[in-house]
Amino acid sequence: EAGVTQSPTHLIKTRGQQATLRCSPISGHTSVYWYQQALGLGLQFLLWYDEGEERNRGNFPPRFSGRQFPNYSSELNVNALELEDSALYLCASSRGLAEQFFGPGTRLTVL
Amino acid sequence: AQSVTQPDIHITVSEGASLELRCNYSYGATPYLFWYVQSPGQGLQLLLKYFSGDTLVQGIKGFEAEFKRSQSSFNLRKPSVHWSDAAEYFCAVAQYSGGGADGLTFGKGTHLIIQP
Repeated sequence: EAGVTQSPTHLIKTRGQQATLRCSPISGHTSVYWYQQALGLGLQFLLWYDEGEERNRGNFPPRFSGRQFPNYSSELNVNALELEDSALYLCASSRGLAEQFFGPGTRLTVL
Repeated sequence: AQSVTQPDIHITVSEGASLELRCNYSYGATPYLFWYVQSPGQGLQLLLKYFSGDTLVQGIKGFEAEFKRSQSSFNLRKPSVHWSDAAEYFCAVAQYSGGGADGLTFGKGTHLIIQP
């Protein structure tokens, strides 16, 4: 069974640009979660999507947004990039009331 | 609001020695608890989980954890560590709503160093 996949592996952007990160969940999983792991800030919950709807978001500004497609894959968009957005962005998936499985992450660097 | 505390930022253990990583949580209801491990530059791998029932849970790679409600703790243990266990370990708690699991709240992590 394939795990959670994320693309791209690395992404380099300049301040003010937009970044798009992608995630494909484990087959049969309907929930997708996004987390940010920034140096010194630890792992922070960003967004939760289930059945195509945004169910909850963490304490992040609206320029962090995303969507979930009918095949349950998901996209995270970060607009107006700031230097402090540089981080490892992790996607996880789950099915119902169960544990979350994580992908390898996308390393975003903002110059 | 829920929170997770991992009091040890770094722990150094000799190869073959036993290991205990501490985790304390703050949560109003019955917690759903997890331990994840992260190797450098990698995603998180689930080691074990506690949802209910037996308070001693077994995980992968020879790890186990014990849920103690009276102490609000969920400590991770391994009887004999291997050099390959060197990594960052995260304790996490989940809140569940009717539609599924909400985002995980993580501790700051414990960096495990294995001495030869």
